[in-house]
Amino acid sequence: DQQVKQNSPSLSVQEGRISILNCDYTNSMFDYFLWYKKYPAEGPTFLISISSIKDKNEDGRFTVFLNKSAKHLSLHIVPSQPGDSAVYFCAASAVPNAGKSTFGDGTTLTVKP
Amino acid sequence: NAGVTQTPKFQVLKTGQSMTLQCAQDMNHEYMSWYRQDPGMGLRLIHYSVGAGITDQGEVPNGYNVSRSTTEDFPLRLLSAAPSQTSVYFCASSPGQAKNIQYFGAGTRLSVL
Repeated sequence: DQQVKQNSPSLSVQEGRISILNCDYTNSMFDYFLWYKKYPAEGPTFLISISSIKDKNEDGRFTVFLNKSAKHLSLHIVPSQPGDSAVYFCAASAVPNAGKSTFGDGTTLTVKP
Repeated sequence: NAGVTQTPKFQVLKTGQSMTLQCAQDMNHEYMSWYRQDPGMGLRLIHYSVGAGITDQGEVPNGYNVSRSTTEDFPLRLLSAAPSQTSVYFCASSPGQAKNIQYFGAGTRLSVL
């Protein structure tokens, strides 16, 4: 049973438009959610996170929304840039189990110039 | 500041051989983890450690051993390599502090023939 799901394996958007990546989870014990970005031949890098006590967190062009009742979160990138093309992983953890996150399968974002 | 360093970057093994994947971090993080990523899938937790001398199993621990004798190092040992262990392995560290942000190495690509 996959506890964190990213149902869209890929997403293609035009430069300057909004990218919306979605993630669903099933475990009610998760209370901290993170997005990681991964380029080929590199390790994932932390992008943005949100605690379960919030419903929105914004950092520059990146905003994460959390809907606890629906067990759903989304990452919005506005405006999208070609350099944003990468694989995006959604991850969830039950703090304070630091070092123990559950990851989704990832969404490959392609931003076309 | 090197962050998380993994060696080797690539390795080819024959079935039944053993080897150790090295992981070192210079950020004085208490938490360290090993993940594997198979094609088209997310990262799955193999083993993790919440401090020197303390390790625990993750989602897919069979066929792997770990130890944590120092804060800096967290080696992953393959006892008797099998083709099913062909994967990309990522080591991560985290300061914890209720945020569980993980910092990843560049990965080790392992092929078992």
